Amino acid sequence: ETMLTQSPGTLSLSPGERATLSCRASQSVSSNYLGWYQQKPGQAPRLLIYGASSRAPGIPDRFSGSGSGTDFTLTISRLEPEDFAIYYCQYFGNSGLTFGGGTKVEIK
Amino acid sequence: QVQLVQSGAEVKRPGASVKVSCRASGYIFTTYYMHWVRQAPGQGLEWMGIINPDGGNTAYAQKFKGRVAMTRDTSTSTVYMELSSLRSEDTAVYYCARAIKWEYRFMDDNWGQGALVTVSS
Repeated sequence: ETMLTQSPGTLSLSPGERATLSCRASQSVSSNYLGWYQQKPGQAPRLLIYGASSRAPGIPDRFSGSGSGTDFTLTISRLEPEDFAIYYCQYFGNSGLTFGGGTKVEIK
Repeated sequence: QVQLVQSGAEVKRPGASVKVSCRASGYIFTTYYMHWVRQAPGQGLEWMGIINPDGGNTAYAQKFKGRVAMTRDTSTSTVYMELSSLRSEDTAVYYCARAIKWEYRFMDDNWGQGALVTVSS
């Protein structure tokens, strides 16, 4: 089973700053099946990125995904107030679906 | 509009079973896979499995194999998740989440409201 490790655990930034979130897989994975979700308190997660770099419908272009093999990145180019949340990466492989432990993006 | 409405909160004793329902409306039920995800209080997301409502095929996370069963009733557009041999660590909010149409491996924005299952003696 593929494990996903997200770093950092918490990212403290100010609105307008750039956020870079990392997701590392325990083995090489297909980027086609790597995604990113955003979860705000009391809400269900929302798909941001699928296929490592494709934005889901309605997602602003300040969100971008990149990476391949074992290392993937979610970048938020300029943080808006509504972007402070927890972000999870996800991979669906032969053993099923795995989530990373999450990165909390908090206001500095 | 698409809606996923789940059954209510449950309190169960250790060793018991729980069955959570998720009734879908606003779309053709058999054309989208459905995931089940749980989230323990203050913790991250944990995937439990997926069901194809068109045929009922399932795939479960290794951790839950032998303890979970996902079924569906196409006459009522409802999917069910039953978890047996409950223990305190199963206390969590259980969500159904619709897969995106063109790629079942990802979940779209349509999630149930969640069902809190509390396991306590």
